[in-house]
Amino acid sequence: DIQMTQSPSSLSASVGDRVTISCRASQTISGYLNWYQQKPGKAPKLLMYATSNLQGGVPSRFSGSGSGTDFTLTISSLQPEDFATYYCQQGYSTSYTFGQGTKLENK
Amino acid sequence: EVQLVESGGGLVKPGGSLRLSCAASGFNFADAWMSWVRQAPGRGLEWVGRIKSKRSGGTADYAPPVKGRFTMSRDDSKNTVYLQVDSLQSEDTGVYYCTWDIFGSGSYYFAYWGQGTLVTVSS
Repeated sequence: DIQMTQSPSSLSASVGDRVTISCRASQTISGYLNWYQQKPGKAPKLLMYATSNLQGGVPSRFSGSGSGTDFTLTISSLQPEDFATYYCQQGYSTSYTFGQGTKLENK
Repeated sequence: EVQLVESGGGLVKPGGSLRLSCAASGFNFADAWMSWVRQAPGRGLEWVGRIKSKRSGGTADYAPPVKGRFTMSRDDSKNTVYLQVDSLQSEDTGVYYCTWDIFGSGSYYFAYWGQGTLVTVSS
């Protein structure tokens, strides 16, 4: 199975900051990498699919990049509603493995 | 509007069984591939399994930790997907989410999620 590793595991930032979260796959997954946001007690929400395609309704301050094994989610200017946990997920092959998550906290 | 509503969770003893259900609406369920994703308390997301549409063969695939213990099935007449969970262990405790697998730009992803159903395995 493909392993997904996110870094950092947690991150403290302030409103207005530019934030970057990384995700690395144990083998190439081409561009088939998706990102989710989850808030406490809620189901995850899809942010981005296939590396850089923004899901409908997701603000344009979110962007994604990468290919092969290394991928990045960037929030250009952090807003109060962005404090949450973020997960990457490979959509290349079954099993559709997730990264372990990155918790974004208010500094 | 797409809706996925899970049910069937509860408290079960180790070694016990449950059948989780997910009722879908708002999309063509018969052509949909459906997955279950779980989350242990305070932990990350874990894909559990996926069932293809009958048009695609109707077969299911499972994550290694649950293979042989969990079984997915579907009833297209009821727009419902099921997850039979047997030989439950404490490590199976968590919220189980139903999702609709979308294939777009070459990638499989989960654009729609249910609210989840809690399974607690404890003596």
